[in-house]
This record gives sequence, structure tokens and C-alpha cells, in this order.
Amino acid sequence: GAVVSQHPSRVICKSGTSVKIECRSLDFQATTMFWYRQFPKQSLMLMATSNEGSKATYEQGVEKDKFLINHASLTLSTLTVTSAHPEDSSFYICSARDFGGHKGTEKLFFGSGTQLSVL
Amino acid sequence: DAKTTQPNSMESNEEEPVHLPCNHSTISGTDYIHWYRQLPSQGPEYVIHGLTSNVNNRMASLAIAEDRKSSTLILHRATLRDAAVYYCILRLSPAYSGAGSYQLTFGKGTKLSVIP
Repeated sequence: GAVVSQHPSRVICKSGTSVKIECRSLDFQATTMFWYRQFPKQSLMLMATSNEGSKATYEQGVEKDKFLINHASLTLSTLTVTSAHPEDSSFYICSARDFGGHKGTEKLFFGSGTQLSVL
Repeated sequence: DAKTTQPNSMESNEEEPVHLPCNHSTISGTDYIHWYRQLPSQGPEYVIHGLTSNVNNRMASLAIAEDRKSSTLILHRATLRDAAVYYCILRLSPAYSGAGSYQLTFGKGTKLSVIP
């Protein structure tokens, strides 16, 4: 099946620094990717929808200047947490849908997640 | 979006069948029923989906009530690797939705524990 690669899997950074998380679709083209965050023992919350070649669409309450999303190619989307603070510590997960050759396919494929810890 | 209701947690003995219920009484005719699961410290993975008829794949079976107001995910023989949070999610058919609706809205899911 389709594979979504996300890295780093874990990152620890100092407060005030920026962290970039990459999400790649390895064997398919993804015009749309989604970014989620998950706090301990809670469910996934959608942060934004990343569209190749255009601006991301952010969910209500998510600061677009804080969480910069770039989707410059059909196989790569990045999430940059700018000036990270301890409250940004969370599990970040990306997902993508395989459009190519699978018309009507319903499945989304997820990365393995990035655990961000801000000291 | 139509909502789903799942038990917070369930337990199963290893190698026993597991029936995970999901209620979706406000489901519309164009909503597909999807199941994903999330193993500890991992991203979610697709399990199965269906519209009206029961569905089987190598991972599980999906039994959908005739009125579609509930469904049950069936793991035929639970293994330790099946311990995860299982999410039941409703999604619009692609024919009725735009690209943005391919996002998934996760509820709290059911945490399945498998006892050796």
C-alpha cells in the first residue's frame, strides 16, 4: 500500500527555536496533505489542510504564523513550528490521500508521527 | 458532520474474536463508515470501510446494521498487535464532496486491550 514517510520521529528543542517536520508520499502523488496534532491521551485534532502549490487552509484556532505549512511539490509537505514554546509540545501527524490511479479510493495514509518536546 | 459514539475501552483475550461497536444514529445516505486504528506512538492506519453491505478484508470485517445507524468492527482473532485505539469515522462519498472533505474528524475512539 501507499506509504507516507514523516521525520523526524522525535525532536527536542529549546524554547524559542523553530522546528521543521517533513511529510513525504513515497510512491504516490499527494495534492492534498493534512496535519494533525495529538496531546497525550487525547484524539487527533486537525490543524490544517496543505494544498500543493497554494496556501494551506487552517482550522479555527490554529495560528498560521505559528505553524507554517509549505507544500511545494506533489510529494512533500512541511510543517514548521516557529518560536516553539513548551505548550507546543505534542505529537504531530501528517496524512495524505493517494489520488493517482485510485479513483474513488477512500483511504488516507498517515505518517508515523513526530513527537515534539519543547524545553 | 454526523457523529459517532464508541465505548471508551474494551478488553479481549488473545486469539478470541472482538466486536467493537459504533453508533451513528444521524448518519446520512451518502456517509461512508470508516474504521482506523492507532497503535501506541504511531500514526493511524486504515482498517476498513463500507457503505451498506458488510465488508471483509484481511484485517477485519465490518458489519453494518440494516438501518445503518450502527456498525461493528470484527477482529476474528485478536492478537497482542491489535491493541490500539480504534476510531469509527463517517465520511462523505467522494461524489458528494470536495477535496477538503477528505480530511478525517477523529472522535475519542475505543481503546482495545488484548490480554495474553
